Amino acid sequence: DVKVTQSSRYLVKRTGEKVFLECVQDMDHENMFWYRQDPGLGLRLIYFSYDVKMKEKGDIPEGYSVSREKKERFSLILESASTNQTSMYLCATGTGGRKEQYFGPGTRLTVT
Amino acid sequence: RKEVEQDPGPFNVPEGATVAFNCTYSNSASQSFFWYRQDCRKEPKLLMSVYSSGNEDGRFTAQLNRASQYISLLIRDSKLSDSATYLCVVNPLGGGSNYKLTFGKGTLLTVNP
Repeated sequence: DVKVTQSSRYLVKRTGEKVFLECVQDMDHENMFWYRQDPGLGLRLIYFSYDVKMKEKGDIPEGYSVSREKKERFSLILESASTNQTSMYLCATGTGGRKEQYFGPGTRLTVT
Repeated sequence: RKEVEQDPGPFNVPEGATVAFNCTYSNSASQSFFWYRQDCRKEPKLLMSVYSSGNEDGRFTAQLNRASQYISLLIRDSKLSDSATYLCVVNPLGGGSNYKLTFGKGTLLTVNP
């Protein structure tokens, strides 16, 4: 079974703080993704990476950056957290071939 | 037309009922199609891939109509444990990386005893 873990299930941060969300997978998948999910808006892609040190912007990259130094690890960084970044953050992994993605349990981030 | 469009529901059905979900997609070049389920406050999980010839997995049947750009999911003999949100997911080739998936907003199903 694919195992995708995220560093925290719940996180509370203050406006202006730098926030790191980490995702680790154990299946040697090339591709890793960060989404946020909000009621009424569904899942929206923030960034993804198809190889170590490679990244591409998704649909809503503003206010976020990412880092992928090792194949199994993909970090999402909020440089200066704002209240509109309160959301559920989901990491996913996948292979290039079959396209399906496997999700971690999510981090519910609250920015106050 | 939205990239992936689903009826948001909610669908409330009794145990044992048959329920069908529909989904349309806008990118005719799309190649891969999936149904995911998401339980309340949990992550989405792959339910099944959707193949051109249609496919079945136990009580679940998925169909694809490329001409109409339409995907369906049929659940027979509904169980209480089928209560969840069902997400229609498409790999929209073209206009960007082919690794991306586009998710519908989901259809909420509640199966009642």
